[in-house]
Amino acid sequence: RKEVEQDPGPFNVPEGATVAFNCTYSNSASQSFFWYRQDCRKEPKLLMSVYSSGNEDGRFTAQLNRASQYISLLIRDSKLSDSATYLCVPYTGNQFYFGTGTSLTVIP
Amino acid sequence: GAGVSQSPRYKVAKRGQDVALRCDPISGHVSLFWYQQALGQGPEFLTYFQNEAQLDKSGLPSDRFFAERPEGSVSTLKIQRTQQEDSAVYLCASSHELAGGNEQFFGPGTRLTVL
Repeated sequence: RKEVEQDPGPFNVPEGATVAFNCTYSNSASQSFFWYRQDCRKEPKLLMSVYSSGNEDGRFTAQLNRASQYISLLIRDSKLSDSATYLCVPYTGNQFYFGTGTSLTVIP
Repeated sequence: GAGVSQSPRYKVAKRGQDVALRCDPISGHVSLFWYQQALGQGPEFLTYFQNEAQLDKSGLPSDRFFAERPEGSVSTLKIQRTQQEDSAVYLCASSHELAGGNEQFFGPGTRLTVL
């Protein structure tokens, strides 16, 4: 079983739409969680850290459900610049486990 | 520079050739990670350093892969007798504190193509 599972998409949404990505992780000992975004042929960059049950940063909301081992990312009022791949990353021990990523394209 | 740098940015190697990939982390960053990212996949953990100590190398795919960080700053990932399946982007990331779930800053990666 993979450490992290994400729906690869692609998600194609119009500008202004709300879109949600889901992620499940297999290791209940995971200590902290992150969402990274990766633009095409670029390096990953931190979008949000997810501690306790979740947090919000502007248009982005991340939620964590430890009982179900599930993390979500909600993007409201999508912008063209949100087009990227979103990587779910649980941290366990010394390792960050990256999911395959979910591809988002925001359409004008 | 302000960020993580990696060199070379692109490397083409003939099968069987040895390669060395360099990572310059952000100055003062204690933790350093190497990842391998194949096309269409997320980064896969290779190894982790805390200063000069290699604390975890469980992700290295074979004994052809070797990493070092002798002075606790610059790190080198060496791949001996490269194979076609080694073709990938190799990403380096550093973190200010001990790995404990802190933000990692990634370099631009080295794209390795093995012919």
